[in-house]
Amino acid sequence: AQTVTQSQPEMSVQEAETVTLSCTYDTSESDYYLFWYKQPPSRQMILVIRQEAYKQQNATENRFSVNFQKAAKSFSLKISDSQLGDAAMYFCAYRSPNTGNQFYFGTGTSLTVIP
Amino acid sequence: DTEVTQTPKHLVMGMTNKKSLKCEQHMGHRAMYWYKQKAKKPPELMFVYSYEKLSINESVPSRFSPECPNSSLLNLHLHALQPEDSALYLCASSHLPGTATYEQYFGPGTRLTVT
Repeated sequence: AQTVTQSQPEMSVQEAETVTLSCTYDTSESDYYLFWYKQPPSRQMILVIRQEAYKQQNATENRFSVNFQKAAKSFSLKISDSQLGDAAMYFCAYRSPNTGNQFYFGTGTSLTVIP
Repeated sequence: DTEVTQTPKHLVMGMTNKKSLKCEQHMGHRAMYWYKQKAKKPPELMFVYSYEKLSINESVPSRFSPECPNSSLLNLHLHALQPEDSALYLCASSHLPGTATYEQYFGPGTRLTVT
């Protein structure tokens, strides 16, 4: 099974500042998909951003962008101009196109936004 | 419509009760998932259905019984649960590998308390 590692259990950021959440993964596959999900307290898990491994260009969604380093098996999430609503658990996830429908999740990073 | 719905939102049940959790999606996804989630932890995969057939069972105790009546519905039948089964139960759905979109969509969850 693939392993996804988030080494930062907790992070904090000042409102309007930038923060980067780390994610590394272990795989022998060349093609796969990576995701960042956000889960606010007592609220629904939603997709923040996704990246296909075959694409060299880093994905961007408004204030959210990723730094995808395929050789290093690294997939970090950058949140720019942090807002109070960004406070949540963030989970990094991996999906293989070959091993069926299973998604592999990291242990999560709890992000606090300081006003 | 990118919504996964789950009912009920909250459930309190005794250890001798029988209850069911329900999940519904109308995105044409042919993979549906049940996860168990404890506070500030990643979702733990329980079951995966592909084309309405059980494809993954992560060694879940038999007191949890999944059912997929059709491609839009997913149920989780509960019987003789233990207090340690108290958790947030998440339903999710996705397209199968090889399609254009491959992320998972999550429902809001059912908060289960076993007394």
